[in-house]
Amino acid sequence: GGIITQTPKFLIGQEGQKLTLKCQQNFNHDTMYWYRQDSGKGLRLIYYSITENDLQKGDLSEGYDASREKKSSFSLTVTSAQKNEMAVFLCASSTWGGEDEQYFGPGTRLTVL
Amino acid sequence: SQLAEENPWALSVHEGESVTVNCSYKTSITALQWYRQKSGEGPAQLILIRSNEREKRNGRLRATLDTSSQSSSLSITATRCEDTAVYFCAIAGTGGYKVVFGSGTRLLVSP
Repeated sequence: GGIITQTPKFLIGQEGQKLTLKCQQNFNHDTMYWYRQDSGKGLRLIYYSITENDLQKGDLSEGYDASREKKSSFSLTVTSAQKNEMAVFLCASSTWGGEDEQYFGPGTRLTVL
Repeated sequence: SQLAEENPWALSVHEGESVTVNCSYKTSITALQWYRQKSGEGPAQLILIRSNEREKRNGRLRATLDTSSQSSSLSITATRCEDTAVYFCAIAGTGGYKVVFGSGTRLLVSP
């Protein structure tokens, strides 16, 4: 088995700050994903990557950057945090693509003051 | 509007009862997955059902898929308190890496 680790677990920022969230997986999966989950809502895809150094925009990429420098890690940057923003950011990985099971991390909970 | 949507929005049952969550979707798919998310955790896959399959089982769980009506259902028999969670359907299209999640059905199982 494997595990997905997300750091930090909680992130508190100020309006306008650049904030970085990190994700590591030891499944040796090719594909990694970043999702945003707002309270009581579903998951919205921000970015995904099908291999090292690859980046693909999801439906919610505006306001975010991503980086996949190693196969095992995928980072997400909030380029300018919005006041009163609160959401959970979930990282996931899968062997290949949309027909494969995605394994999720526990999430990073973001609060912007 | 959403490409995938679960209904009802919320359900409450007593332990031992059976429950069914429905999913409707609006595009051609190659597979549909059901995920469960417990409070404070990331989602975990329950069942994957491919477009050429009509039914899949996993223990107390049974998923159906009807591509003609673009709908799926997830049934849980003999529910337990630990089944309390949000249940999502997630759809995948041809040749793609993207998976689209619905907004989820909130299930509460009480003693």
